Amino acid sequence: GQQLNQSPQSMFIQEGEDVSMNCTSSSIFNTWLWYKQDPGEGPVLLIALYKAGELTSNGRLTAQFGITRKDSFLNISASIPSDVGIYFCAGPSNTGNQFYFGTGTSLTVIP
Amino acid sequence: SQTIHQWPATLVQPVGSPLSLECTVEGTSNPNLYWYRQAAGRGLQLLFYSVGIGQISSEVPQNLSASRPQDRQFILSSKKLLLSDSGFYLCAWSHRGNQPQHFGDGTRLSIL
Repeated sequence: GQQLNQSPQSMFIQEGEDVSMNCTSSSIFNTWLWYKQDPGEGPVLLIALYKAGELTSNGRLTAQFGITRKDSFLNISASIPSDVGIYFCAGPSNTGNQFYFGTGTSLTVIP
Repeated sequence: SQTIHQWPATLVQPVGSPLSLECTVEGTSNPNLYWYRQAAGRGLQLLFYSVGIGQISSEVPQNLSASRPQDRQFILSSKKLLLSDSGFYLCAWSHRGNQPQHFGDGTRLSIL
């Protein structure tokens, strides 16, 4: 299946710092999704993007649909301890029956 | 609103024993349903998806099977578990295949 590469693989930041992560694909997507997974739980949808160039916010989180349609970015401002978890991006398959998930970015926030 | 339930939350099974994990969705009709496996600290591997009752698509050859006996019920099974079947199993649903998926809380499966 499609491989989505997320960068960085892991991040260790101080509380209050801003966070930036990205996801790239070899194929063009018409949808980008961002999820967060808390330890021991299922991923939760954070933001959905449907248009190239779209910039969408959800509280302190902001995600952008890249202009090339082959990438997406997630930013977290003023990080707090509860931001800890794994962040996944996802893009739809050509058949439209499923989403491909990225390799994940693990975020650790140091109080 | 829609909800998804998975059980059990945790399961410890001996090698060679059978497996049955259940997932149900409430508050929607004819959802797409998915089973994923996640190894520790790794990404999500799609195992099966279903677009309707009795319709199962398998993504990877493995020791597992899936069934959808009812519209909102999705079951993951094995006749004989292997050590390599250990992992975190997640069920998810979506309205359609190209719409966001929503995940259950997962089942932590340990094989001894």
